[in-house]
This record gives sequence, structure tokens and C-alpha cells, in this order.
Amino acid sequence: NAGVTQTPKFRILKIGQSMTLQCTQDMNHNYMYWYRQDPGMGLKLIYYSVGAGITDKGEVPNGYNVSRSTTEDFPLRLELAAPSQTSVYFCASSFQIVAFFGQGTRLTVV
Amino acid sequence: GQQLNQSPQSMFIQEGEDVSMNCTSSSIFNTWLWYKQDPGEGPVLLIALYKAGELTSNGRLTAQFGITRKDSFLNISASIPSDVGIYFCAGRGQGANSKLTFGKGITLSVRP
Repeated sequence: NAGVTQTPKFRILKIGQSMTLQCTQDMNHNYMYWYRQDPGMGLKLIYYSVGAGITDKGEVPNGYNVSRSTTEDFPLRLELAAPSQTSVYFCASSFQIVAFFGQGTRLTVV
Repeated sequence: GQQLNQSPQSMFIQEGEDVSMNCTSSSIFNTWLWYKQDPGEGPVLLIALYKAGELTSNGRLTAQFGITRKDSFLNISASIPSDVGIYFCAGRGQGANSKLTFGKGITLSVRP
């Protein structure tokens, strides 16, 4: 049972480059989330989705975009990478309340 | 927005000791969750609490949903080295569209 799978695990980007962080889940969960984690700051919600075709902003959406064309996939797009986006990104999914997390993507923008 | 307070940011204990962590909020929550994050991994659910006053155990871990619905605590008894990690509390407020809010986490170190 794979659960929530994120790719890549690590990435270094140059300022201004773009990339997509992939997230897929095989639990048929309707809710999916993207968080970023910075040292000592906990988990900040970037975007979330309550189902295919529906997305909404979280606490820190600026600089990011998402789409949810299927139940399984919830990619996060960075269009113009900035050093402030250096962080660890976690995707999560849930059926109701309890969120299950992927292993994270460590992104460095230089 | 809703905020959860966890402090201190770090705790250092001796192997075998018990440790207690608190999580407080100015808002009422309907659900409290406790997660643990190992280095290089995503958070993993430890305990979920759904009812005010509820006391739930999971092995050496015990968590309680505060009567006021504005706090929760997690106890770890007889700590072992593999208890090291970051412990997050999370809460879900009232309302159908309410989302999970996470505390900033407490980093636990266990000295052998």
C-alpha cells in the first residue's frame, strides 16, 4: 500500500526556474493538501483540494499554483522560483479529518 | 486564523523519563491530533481525539482532549531513544469546511 507518494525527494532550482512537485495517493481520498515546513515554523498550508476539479488557497499560496484533474493527483507548481521558497514540501491526503503525509520534497532555490 | 501554541520549541530528557507536551488554542477545536515526524520523513499520526475529555492511549503514549476543547496534551512514558523527533499537535475547528491547523512542533531529544 503506497499511501501518499511525492516526487522528487530532493531538488535544487535556480532563481527564476519553474518546476512541478508531484503528489499522488492511492487511498481514494477526496481531500488533498500541500504544506511547507520551515525550521521551527511547523506546517503551513499552501493549497488544498476537496475533490477533483476543486482547489482553494491556504495560508501561504503566493508563488504557487495547483490543479486537481483526478482524485489521485495533486501537483504543486512553482512558476518563478525564489530563495524564499527553499523549504521542505509535504503533500497529504485525507478522507475526513486525519491527514496522511508523503515523505516530503526538499527544495533548495539558489 | 486559528493558531495552536506548542512550547517549548525543544525538550531534552533522559532515557527512561516520562515527558508531557501541551497544545493550547484560543479557539475551540472539535478534533485534536498528535503527529510525530522522524528526521527526513513526513509526519505520522500517533493519536486522534474526537471528544472533549477523551483520554486515549497508544502503547507508551497517552493523549487527552481538554474539557474546554481549547487544549490537549500528550504524555510519553519511559522514553526510549527512538522517541526522538518532532511532535506536532493539530486541531480541526468547528464548521464543515474547517481545515487542520498545526502547531509549530516540539523537538524531543532523548539522552541515553
